Amino acid sequence: DAGVTQSPTHLIKTRGQHVTLRCSPISGHKSVSWYQQVLGQGPQFIFQYYEKEERGRGNFPDRFSARQFPNYSSELNVNALLLGDSALYLCASSLEGYEQYFGPGTRLTVT
Amino acid sequence: QKEVEQNSGPLSVPEGAIASLNCTYSDRGSQSFFWYRQYSGKSPELIMSIYSNGDKEDGRFTAQLNKASQYVSLLIRDSQPSDSATYLCAVKIEYGNKLVFGAGTILRVKS
Repeated sequence: DAGVTQSPTHLIKTRGQHVTLRCSPISGHKSVSWYQQVLGQGPQFIFQYYEKEERGRGNFPDRFSARQFPNYSSELNVNALLLGDSALYLCASSLEGYEQYFGPGTRLTVT
Repeated sequence: QKEVEQNSGPLSVPEGAIASLNCTYSDRGSQSFFWYRQYSGKSPELIMSIYSNGDKEDGRFTAQLNKASQYVSLLIRDSQPSDSATYLCAVKIEYGNKLVFGAGTILRVKS
Protein backbone atom coordinates (compact mmCIF):
# COMPACT_ATOMS: atom_id res chain seq x y z
CA ASP A 1 0.00 0.00 0.00
CA ALA A 2 1.11 3.55 -0.70
CA GLY A 3 2.16 5.58 2.29
CA VAL A 4 1.38 9.19 3.03
CA THR A 5 2.20 11.45 0.10
CA GLN A 6 2.93 15.17 0.21
CA SER A 7 3.47 17.80 -2.43
CA PRO A 8 5.49 19.66 -3.32
CA THR A 9 8.76 18.24 -1.98
CA HIS A 10 10.52 21.58 -1.85
CA LEU A 11 9.27 25.12 -2.14
CA ILE A 12 10.90 28.53 -2.10
CA LYS A 13 8.73 31.56 -1.39
CA THR A 14 9.24 35.24 -0.67
CA ARG A 15 8.16 37.00 2.52
CA GLY A 16 4.53 38.09 2.34
CA GLN A 17 3.48 35.42 -0.15
CA HIS A 18 1.14 32.57 0.63
CA VAL A 19 1.66 28.85 0.20
CA THR A 20 -0.51 25.75 -0.09
CA LEU A 21 0.83 22.35 0.90
CA ARG A 22 -0.98 19.13 0.06
CA CYS A 23 -1.23 15.74 1.69
CA SER A 24 -2.85 12.42 0.82
CA PRO A 25 -3.24 9.97 3.69
CA ILE A 26 -2.76 6.23 3.72
CA SER A 27 -5.75 4.48 2.16
CA GLY A 28 -8.38 3.90 4.83
CA HIS A 29 -7.04 6.57 7.19
CA LYS A 30 -9.53 9.33 7.92
CA SER A 31 -7.39 11.46 10.23
CA VAL A 32 -4.73 13.89 9.03
CA SER A 33 -2.45 15.98 11.22
CA TRP A 34 0.00 18.70 10.26
CA TYR A 35 3.27 19.47 12.02
CA GLN A 36 6.04 22.01 11.58
CA GLN A 37 9.62 20.97 12.26
CA VAL A 38 12.44 23.48 12.42
CA LEU A 39 16.05 22.36 12.47
CA GLY A 40 17.14 20.85 15.77
CA GLN A 41 13.64 20.56 17.21
CA GLY A 42 10.92 17.97 17.31
CA PRO A 43 7.79 18.44 15.19
CA GLN A 44 5.28 20.99 16.51
CA PHE A 45 1.57 20.25 16.15
CA ILE A 46 -0.38 22.63 13.91
CA PHE A 47 -3.76 20.98 13.14
CA GLN A 48 -5.62 17.72 13.20
CA TYR A 49 -8.60 16.89 10.99
CA TYR A 50 -10.91 13.91 11.16
CA GLU A 51 -13.80 13.34 8.80
CA LYS A 52 -13.36 16.89 7.47
CA GLU A 53 -13.72 18.45 10.92
CA GLU A 54 -10.98 20.20 12.86
CA ARG A 55 -10.24 18.16 15.97
CA GLY A 56 -7.24 20.04 17.30
CA ARG A 57 -5.27 23.22 16.78
CA GLY A 58 -1.78 24.03 17.99
CA ASN A 59 -0.31 27.34 19.07
CA PHE A 60 0.10 28.86 15.62
CA PRO A 61 -1.16 32.24 14.35
CA ASP A 62 -4.28 32.62 12.25
CA ARG A 63 -2.08 32.89 9.17
CA PHE A 64 -2.10 29.10 9.28
CA SER A 65 -5.25 27.33 8.13
CA ALA A 66 -6.13 23.89 6.85
CA ARG A 67 -8.96 21.85 5.50
CA GLN A 68 -9.76 18.24 4.72
CA PHE A 69 -11.60 17.07 1.64
CA PRO A 70 -14.21 14.29 1.20
CA ASN A 71 -11.47 11.92 -0.01
CA TYR A 72 -9.59 12.66 3.28
CA SER A 73 -6.74 14.50 1.57
CA SER A 74 -5.78 17.78 3.18
CA GLU A 75 -4.30 21.18 2.47
CA LEU A 76 -2.31 23.43 4.75
CA ASN A 77 -2.34 27.12 3.86
CA VAL A 78 0.01 29.73 5.22
CA ASN A 79 -0.56 33.41 4.44
CA ALA A 80 1.76 36.40 4.75
CA LEU A 81 4.86 34.23 4.99
CA LEU A 82 7.59 35.19 7.42
CA LEU A 83 11.22 34.12 7.42
CA GLY A 84 10.45 32.12 10.56
CA ASP A 85 8.00 29.95 8.64
CA SER A 86 10.93 28.25 6.95
CA ALA A 87 10.71 24.65 8.10
CA LEU A 88 9.88 21.07 7.18
CA TYR A 89 6.10 20.67 7.09
CA LEU A 90 4.96 17.18 7.90
CA CYS A 91 1.65 15.52 7.34
CA ALA A 92 0.70 12.44 9.35
CA SER A 93 -2.22 10.11 8.81
CA SER A 94 -3.83 7.69 11.22
CA LEU A 95 -6.84 5.65 12.02
CA GLU A 96 -8.69 7.66 14.64
CA GLY A 97 -6.87 7.40 17.95
CA TYR A 98 -4.04 5.20 16.71
CA GLU A 99 -0.43 5.58 15.56
CA GLN A 100 0.43 8.45 13.25
CA TYR A 101 2.49 7.82 10.12
CA PHE A 102 4.36 10.66 8.53
CA GLY A 103 4.76 11.56 4.90
CA PRO A 104 8.09 12.67 3.42
CA GLY A 105 7.40 16.31 4.21
CA THR A 106 7.57 19.58 2.31
CA ARG A 107 10.68 21.69 2.82
CA LEU A 108 9.60 25.35 2.75
CA THR A 109 12.19 28.08 2.45
CA VAL A 110 11.08 31.70 2.85
CA THR A 111 13.49 34.35 1.56
CA GLN B 1 8.91 22.74 32.22
CA LYS B 2 8.79 21.27 28.75
CA GLU B 3 6.01 18.79 28.10
CA VAL B 4 8.39 16.13 26.76
CA GLU B 5 12.09 16.13 27.57
CA GLN B 6 14.92 14.17 26.04
CA ASN B 7 18.68 14.37 26.38
CA SER B 8 19.85 15.90 23.10
CA GLY B 9 23.02 13.81 23.02
CA PRO B 10 24.82 12.85 20.98
CA LEU B 11 24.81 9.39 22.51
CA SER B 12 27.72 7.40 21.14
CA VAL B 13 27.80 3.62 21.43
CA PRO B 14 30.03 1.00 19.79
CA GLU B 15 28.58 -1.39 17.26
CA GLY B 16 26.92 -4.35 18.96
CA ALA B 17 26.26 -2.51 22.22
CA ILE B 18 22.92 -1.61 23.78
CA ALA B 19 21.77 1.97 23.25
CA SER B 20 19.46 3.38 25.92
CA LEU B 21 17.34 6.42 25.12
CA ASN B 22 15.24 8.17 27.73
CA CYS B 23 12.26 10.50 27.81
CA THR B 24 10.20 12.15 30.54
CA TYR B 25 6.81 13.81 30.15
CA SER B 26 4.74 16.18 32.24
CA ASP B 27 1.07 15.31 31.47
CA ARG B 28 0.03 12.62 33.95
CA GLY B 29 -3.12 11.92 31.92
CA SER B 30 -1.19 10.77 28.84
CA GLN B 31 -1.95 7.22 27.77
CA SER B 32 -0.11 6.77 24.47
CA PHE B 33 3.63 6.96 23.84
CA PHE B 34 5.66 6.61 20.69
CA TRP B 35 9.24 6.44 19.46
CA TYR B 36 10.13 7.73 16.02
CA ARG B 37 13.45 7.49 14.20
CA GLN B 38 14.50 10.33 11.94
CA TYR B 39 17.44 10.17 9.58
CA SER B 40 19.04 13.45 8.55
CA GLY B 41 16.95 15.17 5.91
CA LYS B 42 14.11 12.63 6.18
CA SER B 43 10.76 12.52 7.92
CA PRO B 44 10.12 10.68 11.21
CA GLU B 45 9.46 6.95 11.00
CA LEU B 46 7.40 5.21 13.68
CA ILE B 47 9.35 2.39 15.30
CA MET B 48 7.51 1.67 18.56
CA SER B 49 4.29 2.46 20.34
CA ILE B 50 3.50 1.63 23.97
CA TYR B 51 0.33 2.13 25.96
CA SER B 52 0.71 0.08 29.17
CA ASN B 53 3.25 0.06 31.96
CA GLY B 54 6.09 -2.38 31.44
CA ASP B 55 8.13 -3.52 28.47
CA LYS B 56 7.21 -4.04 24.84
CA GLU B 57 9.66 -5.79 22.55
CA ASP B 58 9.86 -5.71 18.76
CA GLY B 59 12.98 -7.25 17.26
CA ARG B 60 16.03 -5.38 18.54
CA PHE B 61 13.87 -2.64 20.06
CA THR B 62 12.33 -2.60 23.54
CA ALA B 63 10.15 0.23 24.78
CA GLN B 64 9.68 0.67 28.51
CA LEU B 65 6.94 2.72 30.16
CA ASN B 66 6.58 3.79 33.79
CA LYS B 67 3.53 6.04 34.15
CA ALA B 68 4.08 6.61 37.87
CA SER B 69 7.50 8.09 37.14
CA GLN B 70 6.31 9.65 33.85
CA TYR B 71 9.19 7.99 32.07
CA VAL B 72 9.54 6.25 28.71
CA SER B 73 12.67 4.62 27.36
CA LEU B 74 13.85 2.85 24.24
CA LEU B 75 16.52 0.18 24.24
CA ILE B 76 18.23 -0.82 21.02
CA ARG B 77 20.10 -4.11 21.27
CA ASP B 78 23.01 -5.07 19.01
CA SER B 79 23.27 -1.49 17.76
CA GLN B 80 24.27 -1.11 14.11
CA PRO B 81 25.76 1.88 12.27
CA SER B 82 22.46 2.06 10.37
CA ASP B 83 20.76 2.88 13.70
CA SER B 84 22.59 6.23 13.75
CA ALA B 85 19.79 8.79 13.64
CA THR B 86 17.77 11.15 15.81
CA TYR B 87 15.23 9.39 18.02
CA LEU B 88 12.11 11.34 18.85
CA CYS B 89 9.89 10.57 21.83
CA ALA B 90 6.24 11.55 21.35
CA VAL B 91 3.37 11.65 23.82
CA LYS B 92 -0.26 11.87 22.82
CA ILE B 93 -2.01 14.68 24.63
CA GLU B 94 -5.68 13.73 24.75
CA TYR B 95 -6.87 17.32 24.90
CA GLY B 96 -6.43 18.60 21.36
CA ASN B 97 -5.70 15.18 19.86
CA LYS B 98 -2.06 16.02 19.31
CA LEU B 99 1.34 14.43 19.58
CA VAL B 100 3.88 16.39 21.60
CA PHE B 101 7.46 15.62 20.68
CA GLY B 102 10.71 15.96 22.52
CA ALA B 103 13.59 17.64 20.73
CA GLY B 104 15.15 14.25 20.01
CA THR B 105 18.30 12.39 20.98
CA ILE B 106 21.06 11.97 18.41
CA LEU B 107 22.43 8.43 18.42
CA ARG B 108 25.77 7.58 16.85
CA VAL B 109 26.80 3.96 16.50
CA LYS B 110 30.50 3.59 15.82
CA SER B 111 31.79 0.64 13.83
